[in-house]
Amino acid sequence: EADIYQTPRYLVIGTGKKITLECSQTMGHDKMYWYQQDPGMELHLIHYSYGVNSTEKGDLSSESTVSRIRTEHFPLTLESARPSHTSQYLCASSNGTSDAYNEQFFGPGTRLTVL
Amino acid sequence: KNQVEQSPQSLIILEGKNCTLQCNYTVSPFSNLRWYKQDTGRGPVSLTIMTFSENTKSNGRYTATLDADTKQSSLHITASQLSDSASYICVVSDRGSTLGRLYFGRGTQLTVWP
Repeated sequence: EADIYQTPRYLVIGTGKKITLECSQTMGHDKMYWYQQDPGMELHLIHYSYGVNSTEKGDLSSESTVSRIRTEHFPLTLESARPSHTSQYLCASSNGTSDAYNEQFFGPGTRLTVL
Repeated sequence: KNQVEQSPQSLIILEGKNCTLQCNYTVSPFSNLRWYKQDTGRGPVSLTIMTFSENTKSNGRYTATLDADTKQSSLHITASQLSDSASYICVVSDRGSTLGRLYFGRGTQLTVWP
């Protein structure tokens, strides 16, 4: 079992609320990722980080923002949640030391529902 | 365009039976291919990884094959168990970036009935 944690696991909120999804890992990995996954669909990369103070947007446009102040922590924030943000959000990390075996370890995910 | 296609979309089998899931990809340059198992409401967990030179890799009752020439992979599950019910996702990594970019299939939803 990978040492990567996400909280909360489930969140139901009203439109317009600000939320922060937490992700932390204890493996000392430099690279961290946020994915968005809708039921029956593939994972889409929305943010990634090479290390502290490094953040980049992924392939799927997202209104969320991320920060990487500490190696182990990679929170995702939505300033004003909307029903279109309803989805599962998965956090992952990797050590990235070997291109051929760049395994990403995933957290359990946060299921977000915006009413 | 780099893509990963999986079939079937869903599959129902009886406990104890075998099954094979398919994955076709167009990712280039190819680095490696993984099969992940994702239980409902959980994050994906890696089952196997194969690089260009590997044709087969086993992990218990899971056996993955790779044909890099035809860009096809399969995941064979033997003697299925109820706990095998999950989504199985084919993930291909390219060799072209330091990020270790992953391309995900939509998964095959496997249901094992008693």
